[in-house]
Amino acid sequence: QVQLQESGPGLLRPSETLSLICDVSGYSIGTAYQWSWIRQSPGRGLEWIGSVYRNTLIYYNPSLKSRVTISADASKNQFSLNLRYVTAADTAVYFCARTEWNPDFWGQGILVTVTS
Amino acid sequence: QSALTQPPSASGSPGQSVTISCTGTSSDVGLYNFVSWYQQYPGKAPKLMIYDVTKRPSGVPDRFSGSKSGNTASLIVSGLQAEDEADYYCSSFAGGNTIVFGGGTKLTVL
Repeated sequence: QVQLQESGPGLLRPSETLSLICDVSGYSIGTAYQWSWIRQSPGRGLEWIGSVYRNTLIYYNPSLKSRVTISADASKNQFSLNLRYVTAADTAVYFCARTEWNPDFWGQGILVTVTS
Repeated sequence: QSALTQPPSASGSPGQSVTISCTGTSSDVGLYNFVSWYQQYPGKAPKLMIYDVTKRPSGVPDRFSGSKSGNTASLIVSGLQAEDEADYYCSSFAGGNTIVFGGGTKLTVL
């Protein structure tokens, strides 16, 4: 059974960089599937941030592309999210998920709050 | 890339059937048979209920089914039970390896 677990700081100041890691067990991320970041905020519902495939092909939501970097480390079986210049609007629960055409297995999520 | 449109709420009595719609465009829902539905309880991660428009993952009750017509996909919940009260979200592959979600529907079992 595939399991995903997000980790990282839960509190950020405006203009800082959000950095999260998703640890994957039960499946090797370099084998197949895309591996995605998704966030959920009260006012905006679920929002796909981006995905990484086979450790090197990376796809971003056009609305966030200028601030986002997603990468993968196959040796650690984990992938990461960096979101630069955060504002209060980036406050959300961030999920990582295995994705074929759509996400199937999800992590439990991590709340990230941006406040001054 | 616009969000898919879902009704904010839906309701039904135990034993009844409820249909939740998810309207996209000819660039996402209308073009690809890659629509998924998720059930989410408060404070929990979304759970996959339907994928590829009509398929059910192992363990999901057959009371849950999916369909699509044109740019609109639907989730049908038959024989409503109290435990079905949750938020439901749709998602669609949108080309260019992007994904778009619906705004969510709160299902109330009366």
